[in-house]
Amino acid sequence: DAMVIQNPRYQVTQFGKPVTLSCSQTLNHNVMYWYQQKSSQAPKLLFHYYDKDFNNEADTPDNFQSRRPNTSFCFLDIRSPGLGDAAMYLCATSRRDIHTDTQYFGPGTRLTVL
Amino acid sequence: GQQLNQSPQSMFIQEGEDVSMNCTSSSIFNTWLWYKQDPGEGPVLLIALYKAGELTSNGRLTAQFGITRKDSFLNISASIPSDVGIYFCAGSVTYKYIFGTGTRLKVLA
Repeated sequence: DAMVIQNPRYQVTQFGKPVTLSCSQTLNHNVMYWYQQKSSQAPKLLFHYYDKDFNNEADTPDNFQSRRPNTSFCFLDIRSPGLGDAAMYLCATSRRDIHTDTQYFGPGTRLTVL
Repeated sequence: GQQLNQSPQSMFIQEGEDVSMNCTSSSIFNTWLWYKQDPGEGPVLLIALYKAGELTSNGRLTAQFGITRKDSFLNISASIPSDVGIYFCAGSVTYKYIFGTGTRLKVLA
């Protein structure tokens, strides 16, 4: 089945130790997103790629970076995780289509910062 | 960031009851999506709406795209215990989505 896959599902890192979360998709969608979600709040968009074009949200901290080496994969890099970065990180994809824009989420990666 | 007004914030209902929740916005959207999220999981798409006035069903779920394009509602009929979770609406104009604040649903058997 076509899907959005996130690895790992659970990640533990130490304060200040860089961490990378990964996302892959078999939907062949041209838009990929990274969201941060805390405590059952609504997902908060960090950035998205439209094809290779990177779009950062204005309030996304510089500590968060992203890479999209090809259509299928996208990575979230947290350069120096702080305690406040502990959250669920959600990857999502959509196909740029003005008639049927639909966004699909992966299962998420729960990040713990010690 | 911007969020949609979603209500109710939470609700307890008895099994078998119908449930209704809605989202309102000050902005016009071209797409409304409804998601359900279980604890520790990503949101799962329930229903997608693409046209003002559109009414779409998915099993016991029915959602409508408001005629003004500024609101949407989701109904769940004959609720069952597995309907428990958080329901989010999301609206978009292009391919960036604005999320509602969520409705936490608890079903009492």
